[in-house]
Amino acid sequence: DTGVSQDPRHKITKRGQNVTFRCDPISEHNRLYWYRQTLGQGPEFLTYFQNEAQLEKSRLLSDRFSAERPKGSFSTLEIQRTEQGDSAMYLCASSLQFGGPNNEQFFGPGTRLTVL
Amino acid sequence: AQTVTQSQPEMSVQEAETVTLSCTYDTSESDYYLFWYKQPPSRQMILVIRQEAYKQQNATENRFSVNFQKAAKSFSLKISDSQLGDAAMYFCASLGGSNYKLTFGKGTLLTVNP
Repeated sequence: DTGVSQDPRHKITKRGQNVTFRCDPISEHNRLYWYRQTLGQGPEFLTYFQNEAQLEKSRLLSDRFSAERPKGSFSTLEIQRTEQGDSAMYLCASSLQFGGPNNEQFFGPGTRLTVL
Repeated sequence: AQTVTQSQPEMSVQEAETVTLSCTYDTSESDYYLFWYKQPPSRQMILVIRQEAYKQQNATENRFSVNFQKAAKSFSLKISDSQLGDAAMYFCASLGGSNYKLTFGKGTLLTVNP
């Protein structure tokens, strides 16, 4: 299967701990996005990469959050000093660069984070 | 800034019948795109249908079609001949022409009754 993959699928952590999630996009896609989805809500944009460059960050992405995409391949999203309010599904998506902004974003299965 | 509103938290339909999911949006962009995504339980989100705002013709994809009313900023999804596999959360989303981030509504949970 060559779709977007995310690891881990589920993560339970205690408040104050650091967590890191990984996203592997579709191999030829050079755009990568992170979204957060809380219960009963639609996904909310967090950040976006074009190749290895992080081009946009939402105000939702506090300084406890950091995202990287070394070498323009996989991406990691780290949350430091987790809080209960960080509990959510973290979705990764990827798309092609060319063809305009309406290029389909392909989503991964998400990582469900529970902060106790 | 863009906003997307889905006013129906839940909808149900009988198998083989037709159902319409509502969505309204607001945007300051002159060039934008609208989407319907489907998120089955515990499965990843997939694109159902897309509409370019500059196109007057409503998009169709097999049993799925949209009613795009630009002046009213309305973008509803019609599912014909509903199937059990259509049961899912459906999200309406918009994307401004000048950026790449999707703005989603809160979703409509569709139940298909056999």
